Amino acid sequence: GDSVTQMEGPVTLSEEAFLTINCTYTATGYPSLFWYVQYPGEGLQLLLKATKADDKGSNKGFEATYRKETTSFHLEKGSVQVSDSAVYFCALISSNTGNQFYFGTGTSLTVIP
Amino acid sequence: DVKVTQSSRYLVKRTGEKVFLECVQDMDHENMFWYRQDPGLGLRLIYFSYDVKMKEKGDIPEGYSVSREKKERFSLILESASTNQTSMYLCASRNGLTYNEQFFGPGTRLTVL
Repeated sequence: GDSVTQMEGPVTLSEEAFLTINCTYTATGYPSLFWYVQYPGEGLQLLLKATKADDKGSNKGFEATYRKETTSFHLEKGSVQVSDSAVYFCALISSNTGNQFYFGTGTSLTVIP
Repeated sequence: DVKVTQSSRYLVKRTGEKVFLECVQDMDHENMFWYRQDPGLGLRLIYFSYDVKMKEKGDIPEGYSVSREKKERFSLILESASTNQTSMYLCASRNGLTYNEQFFGPGTRLTVL
């Protein structure tokens, strides 16, 4: 079935460092891909999305490109801030999954000053 | 501003008690979901609903039931709470007609003693 695999955490970076969180997916259809972020004590909120191959989603300095050839949707940010400390979830939905999202296990990021 | 609200942020119950977790959305969404979130396991789908009075089992429905009497409200019921149901519970909703994002509530952290 469809699934998402993302990089294990936790990840600790210094402020202004470059961030990459890897995400790969398995899907027999044509999924839409998402990154969600969960700040401490809160629910998940959408960070960015891409609905077809080669689309790039971007928001708040974060970017991810939908790569069909490598079945990947890696999250990147050029210069992280302390306020980016959170848990990041990769997710997909497709015609195969119907109305269900499939989430990765989450990657915890801590940014230190 | 779109909103998914959950009846409690923190809840403490005793083993064997019947527990109700309420979720309300104001976006007229057809689909609603209940997840539990545990460290290292990510989000796991408990139940979802496509429409009023409809429900479908997710990946881990055992020990839970749900009710959807009105479109905006989706309740999760723990018939007889057990300590292994101590967790963070997240409600979500989405427009069922598109493969667009899910909107999440802030979560309920349930502790069963």
